[in-house]
Amino acid sequence: QQQVKQSPQSLIVQKGGISIINCAYENTAFDYFPWYQQFPGKGPALLIAIRPDVSEKKEGRFTISFNKSAKQFSLHIMDSQPGDSATYFCAASYGSARQLTFGSGTQLTVLP
Amino acid sequence: NAGVTQTPKFRVLKTGQSMTLLCAQDMNHEYMYWYRQDPGMGLRLIHYSVGEGTTAKGEVPDGYNVSRLKKQNFLLGLESAAPSQTSVYFCASSGTTDNEQFFGPGTRLTVL
Repeated sequence: QQQVKQSPQSLIVQKGGISIINCAYENTAFDYFPWYQQFPGKGPALLIAIRPDVSEKKEGRFTISFNKSAKQFSLHIMDSQPGDSATYFCAASYGSARQLTFGSGTQLTVLP
Repeated sequence: NAGVTQTPKFRVLKTGQSMTLLCAQDMNHEYMYWYRQDPGMGLRLIHYSVGEGTTAKGEVPDGYNVSRLKKQNFLLGLESAAPSQTSVYFCASSGTTDNEQFFGPGTRLTVL
């Protein structure tokens, strides 16, 4: 059972454009929603995260939008750069052990 | 400060062989996790540990065993490898005051 659904599977954006990746979750107990960035041959690294008590969080060019009633959250990358080309994973967790449930990933390509 | 390290980086096994993957962290983290990453499926939790001497099952634990004899190490064992265990394995750790999980560089395992 996939508890976190991510779309699109792949995304191609021109340099300077906006990249948008969407995720939907089922388990209302989730209380932490991170986005991880992964470059080829590397482990995932935390990019930005949000808790459900806020609807938006912005860090530089990266913004998470969160809709608790719709059980959806999204990552927006403003002014996308070729260096942003990577695979992005949304995730969710709850409880003291904080084990993450990941989405299936989005491969982002930013064209120069 | 090496963060999270994994040994080995690559391994090829024949069906039925056994092996142990080693994860080590130098951040004094309480929590450690083992994930597997397969194309189109994101990362899935195999086992995790909330402290030295404790382990628990994740989403896909069958065919794997783990041990956390020392706080800084988390071992993942395959007793009788199967082709379905061909994957990239990631270890992660996190502290008790922060949700961020820090990932290692991964181990690429092929079972023939």
